[in-house]
Amino acid sequence: EVQLVESGGGLVKPGGSLRLSCAASGFIFSNYNMIWVRQAPGKGLEWVSSIDGGSSYIYYADSVKGRFTISRDNAKNSLSLQMNSLRAEDTAVYYCARESFITMVRGVTPDYWGQGTLVTVSS
Amino acid sequence: DIQMTQSPSSLSASVGDRVTITCRATQDIRNDLGWYQQKPGKAPKRLIYAASSLQGGVPSRFSGSGSGTEFTLTISSLQPEDFATYYCLQHNSYPRTFGQGTKVEIK
Repeated sequence: EVQLVESGGGLVKPGGSLRLSCAASGFIFSNYNMIWVRQAPGKGLEWVSSIDGGSSYIYYADSVKGRFTISRDNAKNSLSLQMNSLRAEDTAVYYCARESFITMVRGVTPDYWGQGTLVTVSS
Repeated sequence: DIQMTQSPSSLSASVGDRVTITCRATQDIRNDLGWYQQKPGKAPKRLIYAASSLQGGVPSRFSGSGSGTEFTLTISSLQPEDFATYYCLQHNSYPRTFGQGTKVEIK
């Protein structure tokens, strides 16, 4: 059974840092792109970042570029999102999800999602 | 960047109604589009992938169509468990972009 479990969310002050993790199981982790998507309270879904199976292709939303870093450890079936210089507008539930690879930029609609972890940026 | 315009933003419908939600892309995305259903406090659930392929286990009252720039999600006969928010997502290029969402409410 495919499972994605996020952790690491919490309350952090503006300007602070947080590291999110996503533990994957039930599939060959290195065969898939992984993505982070967030949802601010009462708002829609926003794509944050993607990484391919070999960590060769990494993409970020403009809203997080230069502040967030996505990475993965295929040996540990783990995905991470290092979030620095956090702002109030980064407050959201963060989801990790699995995406099948087609080309360097094309994928298949992400199928499995974790349950999400809440990040609150507030003083 | 590709923008996804989803409409309507909300709708009220009755059980048994036929419901149609549309997403338009600002450039050709082939069939690289999926549809999700999200209920409060839950992760999105994939309903449709590759524009028209039904996710396993999803009722056949859900269907997707379109290619290029215009896409549609149809619920042929709305059921009580279908009241939720629906999103489209394009995965043809980066940045990935979602539609703004359509909240389907009980009339």
